[in-house]
Amino acid sequence: QKEVEQNSGPLSVPEGAIASLNCTYSDRGSQSFFWYRQYSGKSPELIMSIYSNGDKEDGRFTAQLNKASQYVSLLIRDSQPSDSATYLCAVSLGYGGATNKLIFGTGTLLAVQP
Amino acid sequence: KAGVTQTPRYLIKTRGQQVTLSCSPISGHRSVSWYQQTPGQGLQFLFEYFSETQRNKGNFPGRFSGRQFSNSRSEMNVSTLELGDSALYLCASSSPGGGTEAFFGQGTRLTVV
Repeated sequence: QKEVEQNSGPLSVPEGAIASLNCTYSDRGSQSFFWYRQYSGKSPELIMSIYSNGDKEDGRFTAQLNKASQYVSLLIRDSQPSDSATYLCAVSLGYGGATNKLIFGTGTLLAVQP
Repeated sequence: KAGVTQTPRYLIKTRGQQVTLSCSPISGHRSVSWYQQTPGQGLQFLFEYFSETQRNKGNFPGRFSGRQFSNSRSEMNVSTLELGDSALYLCASSSPGGGTEAFFGQGTRLTVV
């Protein structure tokens, strides 16, 4: 079983729709959760971080965390063609503690159709 | 505020050679982590340095090594290069606590021929 799992996609959504990206993780000791966006040929860009159960909103992005179900999701509202990229879920065991090591999922390719 | 700077951006090396990559973190960030990204394996953790000490290491052979200097700049070295070492090498910078947000540099694209 992979430590962080994501559906590789592609996930295709029409412009203006809500894109829903999902991630599950295996280590119950995981404390910190992140979503990165990576355009082809570029490095990952941090979009959201979430540390507590529930929702966290930032502009068009909402991250959701459910530690009991070991599940993290990212919602992108009013999707734009410029949102087309690979979205990487990352998990860390550290929180205010000993490591910033991240375990990444393989990423979900999102394609927003004009 | 300047971001994470990695040099060089591109490298072509021959099998058996060694290579050194450099990373300058965001000012004030003392934690530097290195990752390897390949199409087949995705993003994999190499090692993390904090205050000049390696505090975590991934499952890579001993040919991969790193260090961190007193100004928090970090270098990683790969000796006896193999074709399979061709990858995008990414450096991430974080503030000192654990589990904090990590910001990536633009990466070094290494091609081994």
